[in-house]
Amino acid sequence: EVQVMESGGGLVKPGGSLRLSCVTSGLTMSDYWMHWVRQAPGKGPEFVSHITSYGSTSSYADSVNGRFIISRDDAKNTLYLQMNNLAADDSGVYYCQPYGEVVWGQGTTVTVSS
Amino acid sequence: DIQMTQSPSSLSASVGETVTITCRASRDIGDYLAWFQQRPGKAPKSLISGSSSLRDGVPSRFAGSGYGTDFTLTITSVQPEDFATYYCQQYNAYPITFGQGTRLDI
Repeated sequence: EVQVMESGGGLVKPGGSLRLSCVTSGLTMSDYWMHWVRQAPGKGPEFVSHITSYGSTSSYADSVNGRFIISRDDAKNTLYLQMNNLAADDSGVYYCQPYGEVVWGQGTTVTVSS
Repeated sequence: DIQMTQSPSSLSASVGETVTITCRASRDIGDYLAWFQQRPGKAPKSLISGSSSLRDGVPSRFAGSGYGTDFTLTITSVQPEDFATYYCQQYNAYPITFGQGTRLDI
């Protein structure tokens, strides 16, 4: 069974940084493209970023481009999201998914507030 | 980007009724369509992937259908625990995109 577990969220001030992690199990992560989505309070989910196998290519939503960096460590079955220069609009629950495996973890909550 | 148009945005039903939610993609996505359920304050729960494949442990009263651009989620004989918000998600191409959600309540 494919499972994901996100962590690393927390309360951060505007302009601050956080690094999210997503540990996968039940699959060979190196075989999968991976992505992050987020869900702001009271809103539907939205795409944040994706990364191809071996990290050769990545993409970002316009709203985070230039501030967030996605990366992966397949040896650790772990996906990362480095989030810099955070703003209030970045608050929400962040989820990771392997491409094609529509699974959901518990997510990790990011709150950007002074 | 592929736009996903989900309707209705809200739906009232009684226990035992059958309800249908639709999702339309702005271009052909084959069967790369998933449905998930979300209760307030909880993480999403995957119901269906590949347009019509029921995920493990999901009751058989949930059914998905469709291919290409038009998809439906049908809940036959709605139960009290089904009152929640439902979303469709296309995973044919990046960026992954979602429908706006359908809130199902009594």
